[in-house]
Amino acid sequence: GAGVSQSPSNKVTEKGKDVELRCDPISGHTALYWYRQSLGQGLEFLIYFQGNSAPDKSGLPSDRFSAERTGGSVSTLTIQRTQQEDSAVYLCASSLAGTGGSVQYFGPGTRLTVT
Amino acid sequence: GESVGLHLPTLSVQEGDNSIINCAYSNSASDYFIWYKQESGKGPQFIIDIRSNMDKRQGQRVTVLLNKTVKHLSLQIAATQPGDSAVYFCAENPRSNDYKLSFGAGTTVTVRA
Repeated sequence: GAGVSQSPSNKVTEKGKDVELRCDPISGHTALYWYRQSLGQGLEFLIYFQGNSAPDKSGLPSDRFSAERTGGSVSTLTIQRTQQEDSAVYLCASSLAGTGGSVQYFGPGTRLTVT
Repeated sequence: GESVGLHLPTLSVQEGDNSIINCAYSNSASDYFIWYKQESGKGPQFIIDIRSNMDKRQGQRVTVLLNKTVKHLSLQIAATQPGDSAVYFCAENPRSNDYKLSFGAGTTVTVRA
């Protein structure tokens, strides 16, 4: 079946510009997550959506970062006024349920480069 | 080949040998653990998981061992193949019934032909 998809796969932007990253989760998965992976590093949790509940935004590094999930499916991560330190791979994952023990399946990621 | 100690960032293993990747986790309350494999340019791929009420779990060519006493997790890969070359991450659920995963820094496995 179809896995998690993300677009674009690569994005190069100038410092100060806004960017939008898109995630399509696996159909039927109620939970959606965004992570950030800097070069050679592990994954850093950013934000979590579960059904119609208020998202957990505790991992967002600054107020320049925001995310939405429309209709309980597609999600968009927006970074405003991008900075060079925002350069990283942004990974989206989804899981069947939003509780511990529910495997998170990842998309291929969007590689963001801020010049 | 085996990564020893708490964590080594790289592991080189001869094709056909068994690999052991080690991971030390931080939270004694963690009750769920996952191993992911990440190939270059791709997202992490689920390999195997284990709950804290188990010490061992086996999959296809992989075995995960959990030692809660010393908070240690290992992934064993049997008969390592070139396609096993990747970065391997362990992840823990720091709190029971919580969705958040805490990831280790990863171990890069290189398979020598």
